Amino acid sequence: GDSVTQMEGPVTLSEEAFLTINCTYTATGYPSLFWYVQYPGEGLQLLLKATKADDKGSNKGFEATYRKETTSFHLEKGSVQVSDSAVYFCAPGGGADGLTFGKGTHLIIQP
Amino acid sequence: ETGVTQTPRHLVMGMTNKKSLKCEQHLGHNAMYWYKQSAKKPLELMFVYSLEERVENNSVPSRFSPECPNSSHLFLHLHTLQPEDSALYLCASSLFSERGGGEQFFGPGTRLTVL
Repeated sequence: GDSVTQMEGPVTLSEEAFLTINCTYTATGYPSLFWYVQYPGEGLQLLLKATKADDKGSNKGFEATYRKETTSFHLEKGSVQVSDSAVYFCAPGGGADGLTFGKGTHLIIQP
Repeated sequence: ETGVTQTPRHLVMGMTNKKSLKCEQHLGHNAMYWYKQSAKKPLELMFVYSLEERVENNSVPSRFSPECPNSSHLFLHLHTLQPEDSALYLCASSLFSERGGGEQFFGPGTRLTVL
């Protein structure tokens, strides 16, 4: 089945720092790729997605590019804010079996 | 109500109790999911219902029993649970087509504590 590897953290950055959260996956075929975010006490929210190779998903200043050759979907943001503190999940899937989630990366942004 | 709602938001139950979790989606989706999120494990897919038929079980213990009476409602019936079943239970829905399940939309979850 599908699997996901992402750093667990916590990752601690200062406000306005550059963010990269790495995600690599193994999957059958060419799945869609998703990043979800979970704020404290809430469910998961879709942050961005990409459905085919070289697609770039973007939302709220976050970006990730579907890299088929390296099976990666790294999340980046140029200048993080305290409000970005959350847990971020990378997930390939979108087929009949649903999504496969990584363990999540806990991000802490300090003022 | 919009999106995916779950009730109750918090539940405390004894090991001999029987309770049910409810999920409702207002998005016109045709697939619904139950996930378990605990501190020690990644998010685990428990059940998938597509067009109201269960298509995925993932070897979940029989003390968890799902029910999907229609495309908008999903239940998780609980009985004789164990303390290790304490977790956040998340419901999600998606629009399933020939191309697959698409992105999933999540509810806020039910925080379950088993004493």
